[in-house]
Amino acid sequence: EPEVTQTPSHQVTQMGQEVILRCVPISNHLYFYWYRQILGQKVEFLVSFYNNEISEKSEIFDDQFSVERPDGSNFTLKIRSTKLEDSAMYFCASRLGVGQSYEQYFGPGTRLTVT
Amino acid sequence: GQQLNQSPQSMFIQEGEDVSMNCTSSSIFNTWLWYKQDPGEGPVLLIALYKAGELTSNGRLTAQFGITRKDSFLNISASIPSDVGIYFCAGFSGNTGKLIFGQGTTLQVKP
Repeated sequence: EPEVTQTPSHQVTQMGQEVILRCVPISNHLYFYWYRQILGQKVEFLVSFYNNEISEKSEIFDDQFSVERPDGSNFTLKIRSTKLEDSAMYFCASRLGVGQSYEQYFGPGTRLTVT
Repeated sequence: GQQLNQSPQSMFIQEGEDVSMNCTSSSIFNTWLWYKQDPGEGPVLLIALYKAGELTSNGRLTAQFGITRKDSFLNISASIPSDVGIYFCAGFSGNTGKLIFGQGTTLQVKP
């Protein structure tokens, strides 16, 4: 069964460093998302991406964040200058987007630890 | 902004018991999704609800989309130890499809 994959599973970085989190969405899906989950809290929306552009972003998704779909399979989240409060699980999700298909499928996540 | 309130926050039950949890919102959602999350993993989709009043089952799980479109509940029948985890409701918002998540219900099952 097709699934969303994410790499790395765990990333440790120093404050101020840039990190890139990578995702491979399900191959025929059209909509892509990033969410984050701070330990013990709920999942929060960061950004949605469709047709090679951002379609919506949250207040969390400030100028330090960017997303890219560099080729036909990868979807990346970049944080330019990490802060301590960026420590969280980051989940990628994808959605088919055809007809009534609103179901989003999540990857296993990348645990980002900023020290 | 839109918020979803889940209750109860946590449950500790005996294996074999039925479980019910719900999710309410001050806003209308057109789609409700229920997810289960195991520690250190991503949310796994359990059930999707598309129409007000809709009742949908997936094995021992049953979920309903409230008539007002502002609430949903999830029932688990005859719980087993592998049902342990955090259950999240999520409402589908707007054209871009961002999900608004509830804060989760933590379920523990005693064998």
